[in-house]
Amino acid sequence: DIVMTQSPDSLAVSLGERATINCKSSQNVLYSVDQKNYLAWYQQKPGQPPKLIIYWASTRESGVPDRFSGSGSGTDFTLTISSLQAEDVALYYCQQYYSPPLTFGGGTKVEVK
Amino acid sequence: QPQLQESGPGLVKPSETLSLICTVSDDSISNSAYFWGWIRQSPGKGLELIGNTYYYGDAYYNPPLRSRATISVDTAKNQFSLRLTSVTAADTAVYYCARTPVTGDRGRGYVDSWGQGTLVAVSS
Repeated sequence: DIVMTQSPDSLAVSLGERATINCKSSQNVLYSVDQKNYLAWYQQKPGQPPKLIIYWASTRESGVPDRFSGSGSGTDFTLTISSLQAEDVALYYCQQYYSPPLTFGGGTKVEVK
Repeated sequence: QPQLQESGPGLVKPSETLSLICTVSDDSISNSAYFWGWIRQSPGKGLELIGNTYYYGDAYYNPPLRSRATISVDTAKNQFSLRLTSVTAADTAVYYCARTPVTGDRGRGYVDSWGQGTLVAVSS
């Protein structure tokens, strides 16, 4: 299985400041045929299911604010919240879907400083 | 977006069978653009795929669970289900049903719709 490792485990950011979450896969998730990175990001708030925010490493899901952006390729990826809002406090997970079974990172908790 | 809703017992005894149903609304489970499956979340193992399937069956199962899990589809009721046999305390988790756009083989894909989740505890 592809192992997804996120860092940091948690971070505290002031409102309006940038939050950056890293995700590293144990194997390449860039498919050479279509040149797509099979990597997604989710946001999970307490008592709720995860919510898809980014897929194909950088494509925002419909309705997701543009302060959320994804970048990276191959094995190293980043989720950036450009200007943290109070409603962004949550757990964030990366997930690969390059190879079955799909696998998730351990999560990064984002809090307000 | 479709609505997915899990239903089933919240408590199962060790060695018995866990059974859950996911009812789908605002989409057809026969939509060939999607897989339908189950993901669970526990403090110890995080988010874990149990398996997913096309509407006509032929499910993929995560290898550690392959011998105990069965995912079935009922297109007439627009539902799919999970059976997990011989449960232990390690199977205690929140179980989510999920819709996954087809991006390749079964067992892959990102989840674009989730149920609210149902907590299943395994205890005598």
